[in-house]
Amino acid sequence: QVQLVESGGGLVKPGGSLRLSCAASGFTFSDYYMSWIRQAPGKGLEWVSYISSSSSYTNYADSVKGRFTISRDNAKNSLYLQMNSLRAEDTAVYYCARGWELGYWGQGTLVTVSS
Amino acid sequence: QSALTQPRSVSGSPGQSVTISCTGTSSDVGGYNYVSWYQQHPGKAPKLMIYDVSKRPSGVPDRFSGSKSGNTASLTISGLQAEDEADYYCCSYAGSYTLFGGGTKLTVL
Repeated sequence: QVQLVESGGGLVKPGGSLRLSCAASGFTFSDYYMSWIRQAPGKGLEWVSYISSSSSYTNYADSVKGRFTISRDNAKNSLYLQMNSLRAEDTAVYYCARGWELGYWGQGTLVTVSS
Repeated sequence: QSALTQPRSVSGSPGQSVTISCTGTSSDVGGYNYVSWYQQHPGKAPKLMIYDVSKRPSGVPDRFSGSKSGNTASLTISGLQAEDEADYYCCSYAGSYTLFGGGTKLTVL
């Protein structure tokens, strides 16, 4: 069955960096677009970024453009999100999701940006 | 990149039908047939309920249906059940990025 497992979240100071990972299994990872979506505590969903199946195309929400970088390793069935220059407003649960329709989601990893 | 507009809350009694609206613009909802809906229970990850405006993934009950008219998409849940109580989010492709609605809390009375 399709499984997505995020990791790498934690507490980081403003201005710091963090790298999230998403391990995929149960499907042919290299066939799918992948996305990151976040949800601040008590708030709604916010699309963060997506990457095409071959990494040829990426895009970002304006709120993270220039600070976050999405990447993937199809040989390792893994998706990544490198987050730099973190701000308090980046505090959220970060989910990875499969496909342009976001058909499957992981359980999320919490990122807390605080001094 | 402005969020799509959803009502903050809707409610209905068991067995009734409710409709949740999702209003965007001609650059997102109105411009593409790529609207999807997600159900989220507290503390859980979102679950895809509708994609491509009106298609249901396998396993989603046919009580859930989607439609679109102009710049507004809608999710209708018929025969409400207690387990339908959750937050619902719409989502639309917008050319080079993806937009979510602010979410609607569905209460089953």
